[in-house]
Amino acid sequence: DTAVSQTPKYLVTQMGNDKSIKCEQNLGHDTMYWYKQDSKKFLKIMFSYNNKELIINETVPNRFSPKSPDKAHLNLHINSLELGDSAVYFCASSQLGPLHFGNGTRLTVT
Amino acid sequence: SQELEQSPQSLIVQEGKNLTINCTSSKTLYGLYWYKQKYGEGLIFLMMLQKGGEEKSHEKITAKLDEKKQQSSLHITASQPSHAGIYLCGADGTGGGADGLTFGKGTHLIIQP
Repeated sequence: DTAVSQTPKYLVTQMGNDKSIKCEQNLGHDTMYWYKQDSKKFLKIMFSYNNKELIINETVPNRFSPKSPDKAHLNLHINSLELGDSAVYFCASSQLGPLHFGNGTRLTVT
Repeated sequence: SQELEQSPQSLIVQEGKNLTINCTSSKTLYGLYWYKQKYGEGLIFLMMLQKGGEEKSHEKITAKLDEKKQQSSLHITASQPSHAGIYLCGADGTGGGADGLTFGKGTHLIIQP
């Protein structure tokens, strides 16, 4: 029973393309997040969604857009991909406690 | 904004030895979370500390939060190869929970047989 699942695990694409990463949680949590982990393993929050409302958008380029069709899903859309977007993207969820993370999506932009 | 400083950045320890990882916050913490990340995998929640002076243990790992709630340490006793990975501390700076956690830059732990 995977609590937070994200797909795909690996994503290789060319500059300029548009791509999406999907995330689903079956924990019944109200808040979901997207984090970016760079090559030095530094983990930085991108967005959080609480009851379908955006709570935080931390200086993320507007090429990145989170979309939440319902409380259990928070997908990440990225337009016009750039080389610097290469990283591992983590989805997480929480309910006023620790965050539960997915296993990450390694995005490589060539 | 909240900043977390972790030390050391990396640590190589012989199997069976004890070790300590530190996490220092620039502001008072509402909550301090420790996570472990194995290479190529997601983050696994270890422990949460919220009260000044609080100490929690799980198996061979002990985490402490100081009285001022600005420093935390993670201590591993009799290290094993399974302890290898990246340890990250995360801070809840607002107490609201929905703002997510700010993380330190991690400590890479290698266990030598």
